[in-house]
Amino acid sequence: DTGVSQDPRHKITKRGQNVTFRCDPISEHNRLYWYRQTLGQGPEFLTYFQNEAQLEKSRLLSDRFSAERPKGSFSTLEIQRTEQGDSAMYLCASSILAHYNEQFFGPGTRLTVL
Amino acid sequence: AQTVTQSQPEMSVQEAETVTLSCTYDTSESDYYLFWYKQPPSRQMILVIRQEAYKQQNATENRFSVNFQKAAKSFSLKISDSQLGDAAMYFCAYSSGGGADGLTFGKGTHLIIQP
Repeated sequence: DTGVSQDPRHKITKRGQNVTFRCDPISEHNRLYWYRQTLGQGPEFLTYFQNEAQLEKSRLLSDRFSAERPKGSFSTLEIQRTEQGDSAMYLCASSILAHYNEQFFGPGTRLTVL
Repeated sequence: AQTVTQSQPEMSVQEAETVTLSCTYDTSESDYYLFWYKQPPSRQMILVIRQEAYKQQNATENRFSVNFQKAAKSFSLKISDSQLGDAAMYFCAYSSGGGADGLTFGKGTHLIIQP
């Protein structure tokens, strides 16, 4: 068990560009969550999947954001037409259905939009 | 909507001493879970301790224990025998019973351990 991994760890992009992040959860974890954390704040929930189904989306997830988990394993989070306000740490977490509240977090992807 | 409040932006404690971090929350639900997460400077969140709302007994994990006051909606974390490796941001978090909205976090408390 290698834990939750995220790629890339850092991303710098120019305003208006599209970016995509990847999350690989712990093997056999059914649930996968995405959070956003800005400086000095706690993480904020964005969305979560149970297997391949996206079951909940926060109002923070604007139309420019889309997340997928096509085969119920890894997930991608895409941000289109990035804005400076999108600069943040994007965290992924996973949990097993039997203990869904115990979420294990990845190291995060730090996005900087210039 | 549920809210989690951590009123101590920063706390400092001498190594080997005991420190208590405060957390209050607001919810109208009866089935929920509370957590303390640690985020060291490397920024990977680590689960420290969890508490089920239906359990009256306070959770304990080695040097970490909680004081769960359900009526007061208070959930404090006590760290005994503080160690240098305990230095980190500590986040209090709430989850509803179904976990549908993920975790709701407080703003965190920066814990400094003085040698």
